[in-house]
Amino acid sequence: GNSVTQMEGPVTLSEEAFLTINCTYTATGYPSLFWYVQYPGEGLQLLLKATKADDKGSNKGFEATYRKETTSFHLEKGSVQVSDSAVYFCAPQEGFQKLVFGTGTRLLVSP
Amino acid sequence: KAGVTQTPRYLIKTRGQQVTLSCSPISGHRSVSWYQQTPGQGLQFLFEYFSETQRNKGNFPGRFSGRQFSNSRSEMNVSTLELGDSALYLCASSLEPTDGYTFGSGTRLTVV
Repeated sequence: GNSVTQMEGPVTLSEEAFLTINCTYTATGYPSLFWYVQYPGEGLQLLLKATKADDKGSNKGFEATYRKETTSFHLEKGSVQVSDSAVYFCAPQEGFQKLVFGTGTRLLVSP
Repeated sequence: KAGVTQTPRYLIKTRGQQVTLSCSPISGHRSVSWYQQTPGQGLQFLFEYFSETQRNKGNFPGRFSGRQFSNSRSEMNVSTLELGDSALYLCASSLEPTDGYTFGSGTRLTVV
């Protein structure tokens, strides 16, 4: 089955810093790739997605590119805000199979 | 449009009791999945239903069960509750797999 490896957190940054959260996956086939975000006390929200190689998903200033050759889907943002503080989850999904979540990476942004 | 609605938001139950959690998906979404989230184990897949049929199942004991109704609403049931069942239970719905899932706010279950 699929699996995901995310970088350990917490990631602590100052406002306006550059963010990278690494994600690599293993899959038997050709999954769609997702990043979800969870704010305190809430469920998960879909942040962005990519469904084929070299696709770039983007939303709210966040970007991630589907790299099939390195099986990676790293999340980036050029300038983080305090409001970006949350837990970020990388998740591949093949067809109608389950989403497989990474352990999550907590991001803390200070003013 | 309305999001995924989970009820109740909070529950406190005693060991040995049973509990039923409810999920109303986004209108038109026929796929509903359930996840358990704990600090130690993270997000673990419970099961997924599509058009009233269980399509996928995670590695949970038989005490965990679910069902989906003809209007796509779903329920999950946990019988003979254990302390370790304390968790945030998340429901998510989807139209197509490549769309990604929309999650509800979850039901926080505490077993005492």
